[in-house]
Amino acid sequence: DAKTTQPTSMDCAEGRAANLPCNHSTISGNEYVYWYRQIHSQGPQYIIHGLKNNETNEMASLIITEDRKSSTLILPHATLRDTAVYYCIVRVMDSSYKLIFGSGTRLLVRP
Amino acid sequence: DTAVSQTPKYLVTQMGNDKSIKCEQNLGHDTMYWYKQDSKKFLKIMFSYNNKELIINETVPNRFSPKSPDKAHLNLHINSLELGDSAVYFCASSPRDLFDYEQYFGPGTRLTVT
Repeated sequence: DAKTTQPTSMDCAEGRAANLPCNHSTISGNEYVYWYRQIHSQGPQYIIHGLKNNETNEMASLIITEDRKSSTLILPHATLRDTAVYYCIVRVMDSSYKLIFGSGTRLLVRP
Repeated sequence: DTAVSQTPKYLVTQMGNDKSIKCEQNLGHDTMYWYKQDSKKFLKIMFSYNNKELIINETVPNRFSPKSPDKAHLNLHINSLELGDSAVYFCASSPRDLFDYEQYFGPGTRLTVT
């Protein structure tokens, strides 16, 4: 699976958009980009995933660059409950099913 | 209506003991996993089972033995516990649908070996 690079930490003000970048310059054509988050002391939670088109769901938006070498997770109106570690993962859709977690970005949402 | 549950939540034990952690999912998923999160917060997959069959074993010491009595349960048994086994262990499950690989995680079991 391709390696990802994320900033160690970020912060944003409550109510503002949080934009979390991820570099995956060695991504191959059949690898998807996944985002999970882990709120303190809880199990990781799925947020969103995509292949090459931008995706949006009730939690977030995922913007993938045209060359697919980087992506941005957008939380449109961050709340204090969005404070968590956010993991960007790239993986193939195959029968291995496994997720390989990196060190993630620690997002702090300030009141 | 807990989706993925684990017991116990906390487990404190001495070196050399044998212990088990239980995991149950009520989502009807075919695939279940065990992950380990160490003190540096790195999450690593340990095992994966699909319909009670082992499909991933990530070079985990054979002191760790997963057991799946049915597809809703995946238990983790650890023999001869060592200090380095102290970590948070997460169980997860996912459906087998090729395009639906979202994994649902349990709340974790914090294991402390003294």
